[in-house]
Amino acid sequence: EFVLTQSPGTLSLSPGERATLSCKASQSVSNNYLAWYQQKPGQAPRLLIYGASNRATGIPDRFSGSGSGTDFTLTISRLEPEDFAVYYCQQYDSSPLTFGGGTKVEIK
Amino acid sequence: QVQLVESGGGVVQPGGSLRLSCAESGFTFSTYGMHWVRQAPGKGLEWVAFLGNDGSSKYYADSVKGRFTISRDTSKNTLYLQMNSLKGEDTAVYYCAKSYTSGWFFDFWGQGTLVTVSS
Repeated sequence: EFVLTQSPGTLSLSPGERATLSCKASQSVSNNYLAWYQQKPGQAPRLLIYGASNRATGIPDRFSGSGSGTDFTLTISRLEPEDFAVYYCQQYDSSPLTFGGGTKVEIK
Repeated sequence: QVQLVESGGGVVQPGGSLRLSCAESGFTFSTYGMHWVRQAPGKGLEWVAFLGNDGSSKYYADSVKGRFTISRDTSKNTLYLQMNSLKGEDTAVYYCAKSYTSGWFFDFWGQGTLVTVSS
């Protein structure tokens, strides 16, 4: 089973700053089968990135994903007020599907 | 547009059963696989089960295997999760989520329904 470790647990930043979130897999993720989601309090998650670097429909270009193998990164180039939320990575290389523990991006 | 609406959550005693429903609209139901994902209060996301678009391919997390059953009724465009032998650790918000065409990630989610297992 894939274990995904996200870091940091919490990221304290100001609007306009750059956010860099890490997701490390316990084994290599084939075909870059890794997705990122954003979740705000009381809401369902929302798909941001799939295939490690492909933005989902309607996702602003300030969100970008990169990486391969075991190391993946979600970058938010300039934080907007609506970007403060929890972010999860998920691998879909094999069953069981697994998520990382999440990174909370909070306002500094 | 795609809409997923869960229902059926509530409070149930340990050992009890509950059936969740997910009404789907805005897409061709039989074309896509569907998942259930849960989130315990204040915790992260946990994948629970998958049903393929063929209606027969089913996969489960080890934590629910043998207790939960995923199914669907295409005539009603509804996905189900039958949950038996419920435990306290099954307490969570349960989301149904649509699977992307060519990958087991989740491109649309319902709003979730809360299941509380408590005596």
